[in-house]
Amino acid sequence: SQQGEEDPQALSIQEGENATMNCSYKTSINNLQWYRQNSGRGLVHLILIRSNEREKHSGRLRVTLDTSKKSSSLLITASRAADTASYFCATVQLGGSNYKLTFGKGTLLTVNP
Amino acid sequence: GAGVSQSPSNKVTEKGKDVELRCDPISGHTALYWYRQSLGQGLEFLIYFQGNSAPDKSGLPSDRFSAERTGGSVSTLTIQRTQQEDSAVYLCASSPGLASDTQYFGPGTRLTVL
Repeated sequence: SQQGEEDPQALSIQEGENATMNCSYKTSINNLQWYRQNSGRGLVHLILIRSNEREKHSGRLRVTLDTSKKSSSLLITASRAADTASYFCATVQLGGSNYKLTFGKGTLLTVNP
Repeated sequence: GAGVSQSPSNKVTEKGKDVELRCDPISGHTALYWYRQSLGQGLEFLIYFQGNSAPDKSGLPSDRFSAERTGGSVSTLTIQRTQQEDSAVYLCASSPGLASDTQYFGPGTRLTVL
């Protein structure tokens, strides 16, 4: 079953604009990860944020985590056409199966040149 | 260094045939994972290996699916008597250890069952 739910399902913006994607999840987590997927093939790991962290940056990426609301957001600043891809959040559950990633359905981001 | 590799990249087979999908993890990674991505189900966990052992096979959809890992390295996912609903992209990932490590994914094998 899907733990994460991304919002929106699809997002279309112009190059240079910022893109924000949200993810909600249901159970307590160890960490939350964001991945990018181009053309329905391999997943590229973008960033991992642990449950005791609230914000993390990597280049043009900013991720926030609110464990009280069980939600996370991914912000891509100054978007480029090359950022066009599907973006997935994935959670590692606290305890139990603390190794498998449970993915959301993804947000399809289109950056128009 | 080299990333996770998978072969073949595409596989077309007839219903009822057996297929084998291969995954070469990043050298030194002890944990290996198989996932499946299909239109209807999104990304689903199939199986996890720690070394050559598979402590969690809970995601395998049916007994037609099996996987093994040898030498703590290469893994093979076998699907017997393929069905059309097995059509999907099969993704392999590896990580240095377990429990919350970042997982590094291969490019996937696109399986089409006619």
